[in-house]
Amino acid sequence: QKEVEQNSGPLSVPEGAIASLNCTYSDRGSQSFFWYRQYSGKSPELIMFIYSNGDKEDGRFTAQLNKASQYVSLLIRDSQPSDSATYLCGSNDYKLSFGAGTTVTVRA
Amino acid sequence: DAGITQSPRHKVTETGTPVTLRCHQTENHRYMYWYRQDPGHGLRLIHYSYGVKDTDKGEVSDGYSVSRSKTEDFLLTLESATSSQTSVYFCAITPGVGNTIYFGEGSWLTVV
Repeated sequence: QKEVEQNSGPLSVPEGAIASLNCTYSDRGSQSFFWYRQYSGKSPELIMFIYSNGDKEDGRFTAQLNKASQYVSLLIRDSQPSDSATYLCGSNDYKLSFGAGTTVTVRA
Repeated sequence: DAGITQSPRHKVTETGTPVTLRCHQTENHRYMYWYRQDPGHGLRLIHYSYGVKDTDKGEVSDGYSVSRSKTEDFLLTLESATSSQTSVYFCAITPGVGNTIYFGEGSWLTVV
């Protein structure tokens, strides 16, 4: 079993809608998590880290962490065509485990 | 941008030949990682290093070896390349757990 699982996707949303991405993890000892965005043919770039239970907001992005249920999610509000990319979640322990990614397409 | 470069960026090689990919950083970060990325699998860890001459295996280490003789360089070697190793390889660096991870631009390897 992978340490981090992303089972949702691909995801297609209309422009202006909310895109919701989910991730689960297996190691209860994992303390912090991250979301990266990757455009086709490019390297991943950081969206945000999350360490604490609850929500963390950064502009149109909100990350949610629930340690009891072992899941991490990312909401993209007011989705734009430029948000079309693959989103990777991962646990920020020393092995930096990533999920398989969720491809998001925002329809204009 | 973090000072991290990968070389070569693109390579085509024949089955059975050795291949070495280089990751070079100018950030003096302790941790360095090699991933491969294939459709449907995301980033899978091959090997990582937590210091000079300190390395460990990731989830897909078979067929790969690494070396880190200097802080700034992390080499990934395919001793005898196979077609299943055709992939995009990413190097990543970070100063430590809980810090931002920076990625190189990727190395596209095709084994024919």
